[in-house]
Amino acid sequence: DAKTTQPPSMDCAEGRAANLPCNHSTISGNEYVYWYRQIHSQGPQYIIHGLKNNETNEMASLIITEDRKSSTLILPHATLRDTAVYYCIVSGGDYKLSFGAGTTVTVRA
Amino acid sequence: ETGVTQTPRHLVMGMTNKKSLKCEQHLGHNAMYWYKQSAKKPLELMFVYNFKEQTENNSVPSRFSPECPNSSHLFLHLHTLQPEDSALYLCASSQEPGNYGYTFGSGTRLTVV
Repeated sequence: DAKTTQPPSMDCAEGRAANLPCNHSTISGNEYVYWYRQIHSQGPQYIIHGLKNNETNEMASLIITEDRKSSTLILPHATLRDTAVYYCIVSGGDYKLSFGAGTTVTVRA
Repeated sequence: ETGVTQTPRHLVMGMTNKKSLKCEQHLGHNAMYWYKQSAKKPLELMFVYNFKEQTENNSVPSRFSPECPNSSHLFLHLHTLQPEDSALYLCASSQEPGNYGYTFGSGTRLTVV
């Protein structure tokens, strides 16, 4: 049973911010939200993760709602190289990452 | 280069062959994982190793046999595979169980003919 729901695809314009939504309404108190991306034919790449506070690193920002039932990954200035499948994963404590279908993001010039 | 190296990058094998996939990391990580990614399907966790000990076998058929001689190396031995086993096989590592900063290799693209 899926723990997260993501739109199957989205387009964004190069240079603009890309906001990727994820619903995880059944998240439990000790579960983190993780984001990975997979560029075609490569292994997934870790982007960011958070528990309940918003997080930012050099790649992206993660905004988690106060009730933790949804989150948004923000790529502040999308480039063509950000075209990839983005996975939102909820997990905690059992060191198992379960990947869903993700969102295919296409950045257009 | 992510720090996790997988060889070979591509492999074509017959159903009666025996081959091995290799994964190597020198990141100081203690947990290593094998994932399978079939065409148009999500990644599937196959095996988990923690400090060289297998801690997870996700109902993987016995024609896939993992080996972890030390924390830096992980192998996947293959024998009598089926065409439906053709997939991208990905290795990952993390510093410790529960640490989700997984580092993935680039994978081995396996074709079974």
